Amino acid sequence: NAGVTQTPKFQVLKTGQSMTLQCAQDMNHEYMSWYRQDPGMGLRLIHYSVGAGITDQGEVPNGYNVSRSTTEDFPLRLLSAAPSQTSVYFCASSSSGTSTDTQYFGPGTRLTVL
Amino acid sequence: GEDVEQSLFLSVREGDSSVINCTYTDSSSTYLYWYKQEPGAGLQLLTYIFSNMDMKQDQRLTVLLNKKDKHLSLRIADTQTGDSAIYFCAASYSSASKIIFGSGTRLSIRP
Repeated sequence: NAGVTQTPKFQVLKTGQSMTLQCAQDMNHEYMSWYRQDPGMGLRLIHYSVGAGITDQGEVPNGYNVSRSTTEDFPLRLLSAAPSQTSVYFCASSSSGTSTDTQYFGPGTRLTVL
Repeated sequence: GEDVEQSLFLSVREGDSSVINCTYTDSSSTYLYWYKQEPGAGLQLLTYIFSNMDMKQDQRLTVLLNKKDKHLSLRIADTQTGDSAIYFCAASYSSASKIIFGSGTRLSIRP
C-alpha cells in the first residue's frame, strides 16, 4: 500500500492562477480531508468528505473547492490563487472519520502564491 | 470556540525525559491526541487518550490528562535524536472533522 499520496510536492503560482492539488489513498478509506498548515498555527480543516459524492466545509473553506467522485481521490482546487493561500497543504484519510480512527496523512504540498 | 495551546519550543538533553504540555478550552472534548511531524512529512498519530482516562502508557510514551485543569502532557522517556520533531496536541468532540490542533511544539535534542 502506498498510503496517502499527494502531488505535487512543491508549487509556485501567481496571484489569480488556478490549480488542483491531488490526493489519493489506496486503503479504501471512506473519510478524506484537506488541512492547511501555517507557521505558528495548528492544522486547520479546509474541506472533508465522508464518502464518494459527499463533501462538506471545514473551518477555512473559502477560496477552495473539492469533489469526491471516487473513494480513492479527493482533489483540492484553488480557483483564483491569493497570497493568503501560501501554505503547506496536507491530505488525510481514515476508515470512517470517527474520533478513534487513525488518520493517515500525506507528505504535504508546499504552495507559494506570489 | 475551542482552542488548543502549546508552547512552541522545547530543548532537552539526549537521554533525559521530555515533557510536552498542552491545554485545551472545551471540557466536552472526548478524545485528545498527540501527533508527531518529522521534517518534510505529514503528521503521524502517536497516541490518543479518552477523556475519562487519567493516564495512558505506551513504551516510552506516557500521556497524562488532568481533566479538571484541561491539561494534557506527553512524556517521552530516554529521549533520542530520532525524537526530534514537532509534536501536535489535538482535541476532538465526536469525529475527525471536529479535531482542533494546537500550533505544535518543536522538540530539539542536544548532546
